Amino acid sequence: SQKIEQNSEALNIQEGKTATLTCNYTNYSPAYLQWYRQDPGRGPVFLLLIRENEKEKRKERLKVTFDTTLKQSLFHITASQPADSATYLCAPGGGYQKVTFGTGTKLQVIP
Amino acid sequence: DGGITQSPKYLFRKEGQNVTLSCEQNLNHDAMYWYRQDPGQGLRLIYYSQIVNDFQKGDIAEGYSVSREKKESFPLTVTSAQKNPTAFYLCASSNEWGTNTEAFFGQGTRLTVV
Repeated sequence: SQKIEQNSEALNIQEGKTATLTCNYTNYSPAYLQWYRQDPGRGPVFLLLIRENEKEKRKERLKVTFDTTLKQSLFHITASQPADSATYLCAPGGGYQKVTFGTGTKLQVIP
Repeated sequence: DGGITQSPKYLFRKEGQNVTLSCEQNLNHDAMYWYRQDPGQGLRLIYYSQIVNDFQKGDIAEGYSVSREKKESFPLTVTSAQKNPTAFYLCASSNEWGTNTEAFFGQGTRLTVV
């Protein structure tokens, strides 16, 4: 069955550093992968989508990579700020398969 | 403002009662979804609808029911058959099913069984 793995432990980093979050998937060949941000008690908010034929995608301080050989996506936040503290969810999908969400990684940026 | 609205934000239910969670969107999206989120877990798909008057079971549909009589509305009923209904419920919509378009989420309904 399809499996998505994100670091279940929280990631704590110092303000100004680059945060790197990992999303691994197995038994799956998604055509694209989405990243969402979720704040406590609220619904997820879409951040970025990367397609299988794209190696890298950027949006302001965010960068996503997609390695279909490793079956992995990396999500980077450069020059991190305390306001970036949240849980980040990855969601592979594609074709007419449903989008499936990972458990999320909680990021804490320390001032 | 366009968006997706869930109500109520908090809901308390006695054991043995059915309860209906509301989800409305004015984004003109065809596809709508219901997810359940438990502490420390990801979003699990309950039901989804690709188009009006059609819906499909997700991964954890037992104890839940839905309807899609209007494009903008996708209510979820949590029945007494649901063994552990206390959870955070999220509704979402997207332009089309399964394509590379983002999903828009509501703010969620926290259901507590008392």
